[in-house]
Amino acid sequence: EPEVTQTPSHQVTQMGQEVILRCVPISNHLYFYWYRQILGQKVEFLVSFYNNEISEKSEIFDDQFSVERPDGSNFTLKIRSTKLEDSAMYFCASSEGLGVYNEQFFGPGTRLTVL
Amino acid sequence: AQSVAQPEDQVNVAEGNPLTVKCTYSVSGNPYLFWYVQYPNRGLQFLLKYITGDNLVKGSYGFEAEFNKSQTSFHLKKPSALVSDSALYFCAVRDRERGGGNKLTFGTGTQLKVEL
Repeated sequence: EPEVTQTPSHQVTQMGQEVILRCVPISNHLYFYWYRQILGQKVEFLVSFYNNEISEKSEIFDDQFSVERPDGSNFTLKIRSTKLEDSAMYFCASSEGLGVYNEQFFGPGTRLTVL
Repeated sequence: AQSVAQPEDQVNVAEGNPLTVKCTYSVSGNPYLFWYVQYPNRGLQFLLKYITGDNLVKGSYGFEAEFNKSQTSFHLKKPSALVSDSALYFCAVRDRERGGGNKLTFGTGTQLKVEL
């Protein structure tokens, strides 16, 4: 069964450093998403991406964040200058289409720890 | 703004007993509702969804959920729990009226523990 994969599983970084979280969506999916979960809190939507453009983003997704599909398989989330409050589990997801009948498939997550 | 509440951080059930994991929602229009499950070191796995039609929705692994519009609830149920059902369960909503976007709003999750 095809899966969304994410690397690394755990990333530790110093405050102010740039990090790139990587995701490989399911191969025939066209829509990509990032969510995050701060420990003990809700899973929060960050951004959705389609046709090489951001289609929707939340208030959390400020200028420190960017997304990119650098090639035909990877989908990345970059945080330019990490803050302590960026420490969270980051989930990538993908869906075949946009309609509600197209479920979002999630990866196992990357745990980001900012020191 | 749409929101989801899962009032219980943890639910404990004996194997073989029925289980219920509660979820209530708030949206401006009519909702699309989802349940996801997360096992340790795994991603969120889709269990079931309510789009329209029959209020009782059946999903994977014997789970079902009942949509109740008057109570704005979408509780997850299973008639007979298994130890292997022990996991973290998330309820999520998408506002049907928003159109366009596919953003899911999640609850905080409920840890289900099924014991022998």
